[in-house]
Amino acid sequence: DTGVSQNPRHKITKRGQNVTFRCDPISEHNRLYWYRQTLGQGPEFLTYFQNEAQLEKSRLLSDRFSAERPKGSFSTLEIQRTEQGDSAMYLCASSSDRGRETQYFGPGTRLLVL
Amino acid sequence: KQEVTQIPAALSVPEGENLVLNCSFTDSAIYNLQWFRQDPGKGLTSLLLIQSSQREQTSGRLNASLDKSSGRSTLYIAASQPGDSATYLCAVLYNQGGKLIFGQGTELSVKP
Repeated sequence: DTGVSQNPRHKITKRGQNVTFRCDPISEHNRLYWYRQTLGQGPEFLTYFQNEAQLEKSRLLSDRFSAERPKGSFSTLEIQRTEQGDSAMYLCASSSDRGRETQYFGPGTRLLVL
Repeated sequence: KQEVTQIPAALSVPEGENLVLNCSFTDSAIYNLQWFRQDPGKGLTSLLLIQSSQREQTSGRLNASLDKSSGRSTLYIAASQPGDSATYLCAVLYNQGGKLIFGQGTELSVKP
């Protein structure tokens, strides 16, 4: 069990560019979550997958954001036409439906949009 | 609206003090509550999870309590150390498999 991993750890991009982040959950976990955290705030929920099905999306997830989890394994979060307001830490978490519902978080991807 | 609030936003204490961090939630129909630690620029580390049927959980110098009826949880840290300096986040889960709703966090600084 290597924990939740996220890549890249840091991303600097120019406004208007597209970016994609990857999350690899703990191997036996069937649930995967994306959260966004801005400075001084707690994380806010973006979206949730059970296996490959995307079951819930926050209204924070505008049409410029898309997330996928092909084959119920790793997940990607893409932001199209980035804006300066997208600058944040993007956190991924995973959990199992056979446990105590503990969500385990990855190290995050820090995005800076110039 | 389901909201989670943490007070204080920041706390500074001398090494060795016992301290209490507070978390309150507006809707008492929770499934569980988790306390996390976050170091600057890092992800979240789960410290303690309390199921809705439990009153408290302990791990080492940490003790978390839950009072659903009053919508409150506290995290007690005994004999604080400089290595405890971090932001502590409280998060509530309302539905099995659902999203966590986080408080804003308490930034703790323990001075040697």
